[in-house]
Amino acid sequence: GQNIDQPTEMTATEGAIVQINCTYQTSGFNGLFWYQQHAGEAPTFLSYNVLDGLEEKGRFSSFLSRSKGYSYLLLKELQMKDSASYLCAAMDSNYQLIWGAGTKLIIKP
Amino acid sequence: GAVVSQHPSWVICKSGTSVKIECRSLDFQATTMFWYRQFPKQSLMLMATSNEGSKATYEQGVEKDKFLINHASLTLSTLTVTSAHPEDSSFYICSAKDSQLGSSPLHFGNGTRLTVT
Repeated sequence: GQNIDQPTEMTATEGAIVQINCTYQTSGFNGLFWYQQHAGEAPTFLSYNVLDGLEEKGRFSSFLSRSKGYSYLLLKELQMKDSASYLCAAMDSNYQLIWGAGTKLIIKP
Repeated sequence: GAVVSQHPSWVICKSGTSVKIECRSLDFQATTMFWYRQFPKQSLMLMATSNEGSKATYEQGVEKDKFLINHASLTLSTLTVTSAHPEDSSFYICSAKDSQLGSSPLHFGNGTRLTVT
């Protein structure tokens, strides 16, 4: 079956770095997405990886290893506004997104 | 960037009435749109996939006669919650991806918070 695993909750300190891991199993693969969702709001797109390696975008970076079925989202210089849920989603061969349950990130001062 | 407009943002209705939620892709065409439901502190739950010009595909356990989906054009999909009940109160979110791009990211509407009294 198709499955996405990511930690339920993580806590980090303002100014620090945090890495949110995601493992996936899908029927075919057309990319891995990360979304940020603040409470009560719709998700917003953060990153898309389809090739192995690290994609850097400002304070956020995303990594993909297709052979391992693994991705991570790296957040640097954490700010209080980064407190949110981070959703990992893999696109299968039919271009359908398989969603993880989300990782709630708590930032402490 | 790509924008998806969802309307209304919030709605309060009485039990037994119907509510229509619109989802529009503003600057791209979307042959496929997705409707999600999200309960507090839970992840997105895909309800149905809306296909332009054809019937929607519903996920298991979602009543198609209760959640009517119409995708009449390449930029508009609507979800109608019929005979709403308090248990239908939830956060409904639509998303769409650019039909021109195979692996484009999903773009989400801002969501509709439905409260049924």
